[in-house]
Amino acid sequence: DAGVIQSPRHEVTEMGQEVTLRCKPISGHNSLFWYRQTMMRGLELLIYFNNNVPIDDSGMPEDRFSAKMPNASFSTLKIQPSEPRDSAVYFCASSFAGTVNTEAFFGQGTRLTVV
Amino acid sequence: QQQVKQSPQSLIVQKGGIPIINCAYENTAFDYFPWYQQFPGKGPALLIAIRPDVSEKKEGRFTISFNKSAKQFSLHIMDSQPGDSATYFCAANQAGTALIFGKGTTLSVSS
Repeated sequence: DAGVIQSPRHEVTEMGQEVTLRCKPISGHNSLFWYRQTMMRGLELLIYFNNNVPIDDSGMPEDRFSAKMPNASFSTLKIQPSEPRDSAVYFCASSFAGTVNTEAFFGQGTRLTVV
Repeated sequence: QQQVKQSPQSLIVQKGGIPIINCAYENTAFDYFPWYQQFPGKGPALLIAIRPDVSEKKEGRFTISFNKSAKQFSLHIMDSQPGDSATYFCAANQAGTALIFGKGTTLSVSS
């Protein structure tokens, strides 16, 4: 398996524009996570899905952020409108969640710069 | 809010030294405690993990020590090498929930 695939790897956009980040989880995994990484706040959980259903979105900072998982092999994180403070590295991760925890595999991340 | 507190923020050791990174958690329901390693430009990758039924786990040069009563766990890197220079994150969760990460420790191993 190619692992968790994120696109794009880098995104530079102007303030106010819509940004869509994409993620393809590892086949067979039933949990998907979106994290944001900054120097100040480290790795913050934004939202996670189990069996394509959002379970906890309490980490989504504002209504400008939304995430979807229309099927088991694809998820998007959208920011509309984007602001300079949204600049960060966004990671998608997936795992197989059962009665015990298993390893979460991370993608390479999308580095977002909002100017 | 559930938190995992990690220290120190940064660490510099000489080759062969034994860096130690510490983490403390609050939620007694947590039952899985992994450490992730991240190199620049890459996503975090699992290094080693422990469950609360054991007090220590060793994999190669990496050891986790776990103190359930104190709600603390730590990572020791034996005979550290320049290639170990990276950012290390502790994390915790319980089955069915997302990992909560510490803020990370940037380790630099000088040759």
